[in-house]
Amino acid sequence: AQSVTQLDSHVSVSEGTPVLLRCNYSSSYSPSLFWYVQHPNKGLQLLLKYTSAATLVKGINGFEAEFKKSETSFHLTKPSAHMSDAAEYFCVVSGSDSWGKLQFGAGTQVVVTP
Amino acid sequence: GAVVSQHPSRVICKSGTSVKIECRSLDFQATTMFWYRQFPKQSLMLMATSNEGSKATYEQGVEKDKFLINHASLTLSTLTVTSAHPEDSSFYICSASSAGQINYGYTFGSGTRLTVV
Repeated sequence: AQSVTQLDSHVSVSEGTPVLLRCNYSSSYSPSLFWYVQHPNKGLQLLLKYTSAATLVKGINGFEAEFKKSETSFHLTKPSAHMSDAAEYFCVVSGSDSWGKLQFGAGTQVVVTP
Repeated sequence: GAVVSQHPSRVICKSGTSVKIECRSLDFQATTMFWYRQFPKQSLMLMATSNEGSKATYEQGVEKDKFLINHASLTLSTLTVTSAHPEDSSFYICSASSAGQINYGYTFGSGTRLTVV
């Protein structure tokens, strides 16, 4: 069984400041972890993924995430927020025992202020 | 990169009618497709998993007779909401994956906003 917890339902940052979105997971087997972004009334876009290679994963649009097995965390960061980063972000886990099923976190709403 | 096309993007239908939503993989063969439902301000809820040529596997609590899923080819899956009611109004999203790509990421459609009046 697997699950994912996004620790913040809402994050507000000023443009140009760092963004941190927190995610903790639990998984019976070696997990694959993803971060997706969703803009209003749109589908999901993959930001980055961890699949047991390098623990520091770089994604699109300047985002990166670090897989920390000891802390069961996969936090998403970006050094400098842009207005276009305002969206909903989902941390997602998939395990080798789940036949490809994705388990979604509850989501974090990011607001970027000028 | 992999592209999944979902149509329609928005549909309004009368209560009691049926609505079909299509999900197409444009440049790869989607051996597995997933259908999700998303309520406002909430996360995605998996409704069912379909493998090409097989019957869909529904998640607990999802009515298979109401949400008919067909995955007849490697590039097309459809979700039909039968006898729709206002409580079926929601945002529906499909995702697709090809063989060997499980756990390596999925491509999502752009979603369908269903409103039942």
